[in-house]
Amino acid sequence: EVQLVESGGGLAQPGRSLRLSCTASGFTFGDYAMNWVRQVPGKGLEWVGLIRSRAYGGATEFAASVKGRFTMSRDDSEGIAYLQMNSLKTDDTAVYYCSRLGAAVGVFDYWGQGTLVTVSS
Amino acid sequence: SYELTQPPSVSVSPGQTARITCSGDKLGDKFAYWYQQKPGRSPVLVIYQDNKRPSGIPERFSGSNSGNTATLTISGTQALDEADYYCQAWDSSTAVFGGGTKLAVL
Repeated sequence: EVQLVESGGGLAQPGRSLRLSCTASGFTFGDYAMNWVRQVPGKGLEWVGLIRSRAYGGATEFAASVKGRFTMSRDDSEGIAYLQMNSLKTDDTAVYYCSRLGAAVGVFDYWGQGTLVTVSS
Repeated sequence: SYELTQPPSVSVSPGQTARITCSGDKLGDKFAYWYQQKPGRSPVLVIYQDNKRPSGIPERFSGSNSGNTATLTISGTQALDEADYYCQAWDSSTAVFGGGTKLAVL
């Protein structure tokens, strides 16, 4: 059974950093690209970024709203994807979901339960 | 930047057909995806690549995509289908979500 478990959320002050983790199980993690999607409570989904598999060089893509502030990495041996969030803004407050990019082109086929990040002074 | 537009809400009576639209420039040239999200839960994929259903998704869910509009159709809508629905597409290497549609089964 595919499982994705996010962790690392919490309260951070504006301008500070936070690192989220997404621990995967139930599939060959290294074969898949991983995404982060966020959702302000009560609002819609916003794609944050993705990290491709090693076969595609582990390249990353980011939404314009976080480019230059957020980075992604992965540890295929441990099955963990990371989202490093720097220079946090109050607008980054949201539930952050990790999601697997499935074998079918472009599909977010599995999602974690999400972790809440609150940016506030 | 690419945008997808959904109606904020759609209402349907139990047993009737619900249609939720998603509009974007030349959306029909891209694949459309649909996700269902119930309160307090993570999104769940219900339609991918315009009209394919993942295993475990009931046959009453179907999709189409042509021109500038993708449509999620739920036939014989049930009370348990009440949820928020989001369309999604890729623009180059960027994923874009619609604003979401709240489906009310009244």
